[in-house]
Amino acid sequence: DTGVSQDPRHKITKRGQNVTFRCDPISEHNRLYWYRQTLGQGPEFLTYFQNEAQLEKSRLLSDRFSAERPKGSFSTLEIQRTEQGDSAMYLCASSFGQGHEQYFGPGTRLTVT
Amino acid sequence: AQTVTQSQPEMSVQEAETVTLSCTYDTSESDYYLFWYKQPPSRQMILVIRQEAYKQQNATENRFSVNFQKAAKSFSLKISDSQLGDAAMYFCAFYTGNQFYFGTGTSLTVIP
Repeated sequence: DTGVSQDPRHKITKRGQNVTFRCDPISEHNRLYWYRQTLGQGPEFLTYFQNEAQLEKSRLLSDRFSAERPKGSFSTLEIQRTEQGDSAMYLCASSFGQGHEQYFGPGTRLTVT
Repeated sequence: AQTVTQSQPEMSVQEAETVTLSCTYDTSESDYYLFWYKQPPSRQMILVIRQEAYKQQNATENRFSVNFQKAAKSFSLKISDSQLGDAAMYFCAFYTGNQFYFGTGTSLTVIP
């Protein structure tokens, strides 16, 4: 297992289109997190899964955002009706156990034109 | 509300010297974890060091150590014998209640 992977690495879309990102965590990790990072800022928490259950969701996450983690394995993050303000790096991280040591993926950079 | 503050947007250090990056946080929780993450340019974020709030002893990982002052809500990172590969953005992070909170980062430059 080579770590957390994310697909695609880059996505350019027009305003109003829907986009979906995928995250594959490290195989034995039961916790999965999504973050958004804009230039010059730290990651902002979006949502958290423990196995297949979505246990936390940030107030930053509008109704246009939805995330799933079917069967507690990979996860998808969908943004509907994208806006220019959605342009950012979307990071996925996974962890296992009580230490909460997260392993991050390379991110998906979204550009909304 | 939980907040993490990194008051040094940029820092620089001579190669082989020591540098300390500052972080303060605010929480009313008693059970939490603190982390320092490193994000090299165009590369993914990696964990540098972790501290459990209930542990009084400061964490160390090779050249990296922390100064954890729980009462002051301070969590600084000391990098000893700085190397060119240490150049990166460093983020302080705080975990409680199933959420992570990150600071805005400190950009570290290592001068040869």
